[in-house]
Amino acid sequence: NAGVTQTPKFRILKIGQSMTLQCTQDMNHNYMYWYRQDPGMGLKLIYYSVGAGITDKGEVPNGYNVSRSTTEDFPLRLELAAPSQTSVYFCASQGAGWDTDTQYFGPGTRLTVL
Amino acid sequence: GENVEQHPSTLSVQEGDSAVIKCTYSDSASNYFPWYKQELGKGPQLIIDIRSNVGEKKDQRIAVTLNKTAKHFSLHITETQPEDSAVYFCAEVGSYDKVIFGPGTSLSVIP
Repeated sequence: NAGVTQTPKFRILKIGQSMTLQCTQDMNHNYMYWYRQDPGMGLKLIYYSVGAGITDKGEVPNGYNVSRSTTEDFPLRLELAAPSQTSVYFCASQGAGWDTDTQYFGPGTRLTVL
Repeated sequence: GENVEQHPSTLSVQEGDSAVIKCTYSDSASNYFPWYKQELGKGPQLIIDIRSNVGEKKDQRIAVTLNKTAKHFSLHITETQPEDSAVYFCAEVGSYDKVIFGPGTSLSVIP
């Protein structure tokens, strides 16, 4: 299993540009998450999904959108990039239930908005 | 709302000494407590976890303890090595499998 994969690894955007961060998992996990991590800080939840077709807002959803058309994929969309969105973005997946609570993280996407 | 406090925010220890990181949670329904290690430039990785029906769990040099009454859980690393240097996050999983992360502890092991 490849686990959780994210693309791209790095990206520089200009203010106002749009982009989609890709996330794919091959573990058949129901739960998927998007976090952002600012320098020296913890993880802040942007959006999450409990299954295909279901998404919900996390702690910091403004400026982002997500979709979950399949179990495997959970892309994050930035419509009008702003310097405040400069951060490292992590996608994670998780099984559901007592024996499958562990979150598995992707390697991250480092985004800079200039 | 749910919250996880984590202390200290930074910790420096000499190689070979022990390191202890403590977390406090608020959701009494939480039943699973994972610890993650994040090395520079990488995503967090699970290193050890504990469930609410267990008071202590050990894996080689790493151990975790849980006090459900006080809503405390701690990570203990013995015989620290330079490769233990990283940021460590505690987390709680409670209602509806929602995961709440602590703010992280930056551990430096000095050779």
